[in-house]
Amino acid sequence: NAGVTQTPKFRVLKTGQSMTLLCAQDMNHEYMYWYRQDPGMGLRLIHYSVGEGTTAKGEVPDGYNVSRLKKQNFLLGLESAAPSQTSVYFCASTDYNEQFFGPGTRLTVL
Amino acid sequence: DAKTTQPPSMDCAEGRAANLPCNHSTISGNEYVYWYRQIHSQGPQYIIHGLKNNETNEMASLIITEDRKSSTLILPHATLRDTAVYYCIVRVPLAYKLSFGAGTTVTVRA
Repeated sequence: NAGVTQTPKFRVLKTGQSMTLLCAQDMNHEYMYWYRQDPGMGLRLIHYSVGEGTTAKGEVPDGYNVSRLKKQNFLLGLESAAPSQTSVYFCASTDYNEQFFGPGTRLTVL
Repeated sequence: DAKTTQPPSMDCAEGRAANLPCNHSTISGNEYVYWYRQIHSQGPQYIIHGLKNNETNEMASLIITEDRKSSTLILPHATLRDTAVYYCIVRVPLAYKLSFGAGTTVTVRA
């Protein structure tokens, strides 16, 4: 039981490049989330999903897109990366009470 | 979700109990109190949650006042590994959003 895993762990992009962050969970959870965390700040919700094939916007969705084609996977895409998107990205999934978080992806946009 | 207020930081001696306060005066009747912590650079970790009764698990105890306007997380025997940022969150279970504020930075000193 791996819990929540994230790929990649680190990435450096140039402004304007695109990339996809992958989140996978093996706990059969319906709900999945993408957060970002900037230095010294709490987590902010980017997008979330309440089930396969569904997605919704969170607090800071601009510049990101998501897809949930399979229940166990939640993808976060950056179509044209900007320096303001330099951050640590956390994925999470939840049962009724507890959110389980992945280890994070550290993204730097130059 | 109701907002919460936590002290920005606190120190604790190793081996002693750490008492972390949280004010949530606008909590609704169906909202639970959740505690998470984030050890440096890692994803947040669930600690405990409760509605109105005191709760205890292997990590901590949660004391909620009778009027539910405040609560205290107790780490009974703090260790150096408990040094982290602790977040108090009030929410309805399975609500799509966890609102992470600034939390309390707890430093356990030898």
